[in-house]
Amino acid sequence: EAQVTQNPRYLITVTGKKLTVTCSQNMNHEYMSWYRQDPGLGLRQIYYSMNVEVTDKGDVPEGYKVSRKEKRNFPLILESPSPNQTSLYFCASSLIRQGKREQFFGPGTRLTVL
Amino acid sequence: KQEVTQIPAALSVPEGENLVLNCSFTDSAIYNLQWFRQDPGKGLTSLLLIQSSQREQTSGRLNASLDKSSGRSTLYIAASQPGDSATYLCAVRGDSSYKLIFGSGTRLLVRP
Repeated sequence: EAQVTQNPRYLITVTGKKLTVTCSQNMNHEYMSWYRQDPGLGLRQIYYSMNVEVTDKGDVPEGYKVSRKEKRNFPLILESPSPNQTSLYFCASSLIRQGKREQFFGPGTRLTVL
Repeated sequence: KQEVTQIPAALSVPEGENLVLNCSFTDSAIYNLQWFRQDPGKGLTSLLLIQSSQREQTSGRLNASLDKSSGRSTLYIAASQPGDSATYLCAVRGDSSYKLIFGSGTRLLVRP
């Protein structure tokens, strides 16, 4: 089944404790992206990647890192989480070279930073 | 800067009613527009994607239209059911970017 998976789905952590949210897709998509969703602010892009080893900042990159060492994986790293990073996080992917370039989203990771 | 607006913010209708959700965007230079459904605390499910060259797309009871020149899209839901209750989001992708710009959503409640 074609899908985007994220782990963990729920995470409660404390300020300053490094964490990684994993994202994986099995559709051979070149493009991958991270969004966060906050009440009243909607979905905003954090980082994106056009292909392996090619990443760039989105609209709200502060406090986040990403890497793209393999085509299927795009982990989101919070080196020193803070309470303002409490949010619902979504990973997305799509084709670039061909097709409709429809974006597919993962199930979301609800992160709480205390 | 692209801005996406969805009206109304919330809608409550009785079961069986046909309804229209509206989405407007400020920059007509879009590559495509996607409609998503989001259930509370859950992920986004893609409902329909309309390419910039298309006028409408249909899937079952759903029909989405696009008028690029006026910066508008509508999602028509026929014969609504309680299971349609969710938040509906529209998102546009610009010509030169893969980033999706989302509207704030319409929260739909279909009453039995």
